[in-house]
Amino acid sequence: AQTVTQSQPEMSVQEAETVTLSCTYDTSENNYYLFWYKQPPSRQMILVIRQEAYKQQNATENRFSVNFQKAAKSFSLKISDSQLGDTAMYFCAFMRNTGNQFYFGTGTSLTVIP
Amino acid sequence: GAGVSQSPSNKVTEKGKDVELRCDPISGHTALYWYRQSLGQGLEFLIYFQGNSAPDKSGLPSDRFSAERTGGSVSTLTIQRTQQEDSAVYLCASSLGGEGDRTYGEAFFGQGTRLTVV
Repeated sequence: AQTVTQSQPEMSVQEAETVTLSCTYDTSENNYYLFWYKQPPSRQMILVIRQEAYKQQNATENRFSVNFQKAAKSFSLKISDSQLGDTAMYFCAFMRNTGNQFYFGTGTSLTVIP
Repeated sequence: GAGVSQSPSNKVTEKGKDVELRCDPISGHTALYWYRQSLGQGLEFLIYFQGNSAPDKSGLPSDRFSAERTGGSVSTLTIQRTQQEDSAVYLCASSLGGEGDRTYGEAFFGQGTRLTVV
């Protein structure tokens, strides 16, 4: 079975600073996908960033980047130049390459402080 | 529509009643997921539809829960004889579902239905 662990229930960061959210996962699969989703108070989950396990290069999307360590089964999210709109729950998710379901962590509540 | 639409947004029901939750996925998306999110918890997988294949129902918590997807589009999640522990936000998501596609795995979520059983 696949499990996803987010060990930081809550985090805060000053506006314009950088913050890193941790995620580890457990799987026996070799090919899979990892995601970070953001859930603002509106409840609608939004994809932040996506990483294919077969790619060694870390994914980046503007101010968002990941540190993917396949051997360590670690997938952290770095948010640079934090903005007030980044305040949300962040969920790390795993999907096997068969794509039949996402396995989500319990989330990290991030607050950006003005 | 432009995104995944779920209805109703909120539903309050009495214990023991049946409820139906509706999901309209993005047009052309072959994969559809239902998840349940309880207060302070992560997302719990319920069921997955992919095209005309048999759905993966492995996450349904009991036989009171069922779901169908008509014509490969709209999906309905039905909870019979609701219990208080069924109170949660029920999220629906859809995706293109084609492995190898550039956007493979990118799921688009609706805003959810908040179900309260009293």
